[in-house]
Amino acid sequence: DTAVSQTPKYLVTQMGNDKSIKCEQNLGHDTMYWYKQDSKKFLKIMFSYNNKELIINETVPNRFSPKSPDKAHLNLHINSLELGDSAVYFCASSQDLRGHNEQFFGPGTRLTVL
Amino acid sequence: AQKVTQAQTEISVVEKEDVTLDCVYETRDTTYYLFWYKQPPSGELVFLIRRNSFDEQNEISGRYSWNFQKSTSSFNFTITASQVVDSAVYFCALSEKGEGGLGASKLTFGTGTRLQVTL
Repeated sequence: DTAVSQTPKYLVTQMGNDKSIKCEQNLGHDTMYWYKQDSKKFLKIMFSYNNKELIINETVPNRFSPKSPDKAHLNLHINSLELGDSAVYFCASSQDLRGHNEQFFGPGTRLTVL
Repeated sequence: AQKVTQAQTEISVVEKEDVTLDCVYETRDTTYYLFWYKQPPSGELVFLIRRNSFDEQNEISGRYSWNFQKSTSSFNFTITASQVVDSAVYFCALSEKGEGGLGASKLTFGTGTRLQVTL
């Protein structure tokens, strides 16, 4: 059973397009996250949601809009894709938003913008 | 200011050598948590260990051991008798209270150390 799953695994698209990445966790966790990993492997948090409520928004451009229809799902929609958006996007979840909780990561979605 | 520093960008060792990956962190919180994650070539992120700021006991798990020293703000990771399967990027991360309304914690990662173990 996959704990945190993301679809698609690979996404290749043209500049200016709009795309979505879906994430689901079956761990019963309250908190979910999106991270971006750039070409130098640097991992940075983008958003976190707790029970469908936005908690952290790390000065991410407005073109990125997360949506959490329920606490098991956190989707990421990206408008007007730019070359600089090319990266691996990881979804993660944790029991709740307290710091001691380990985060469980999905397999990542490699986004390539041409 | 960088909160988690992994000064070693890349380390190469021969199998069976011991290797230590350094991690230095910076925080004003008195309560915080430190983590190590492994990212093998397949790309997934695998949790290895969590340590809270009140527990400075070193931990050993098989060939892995961790040395947490608050006095030097370091949380180093040692692999004993390294194996080719240990080849991966290793990330140290710090969890501290964020600035959000609920005081939600935020995980800040270091830049990672790529470990290459060869035969």
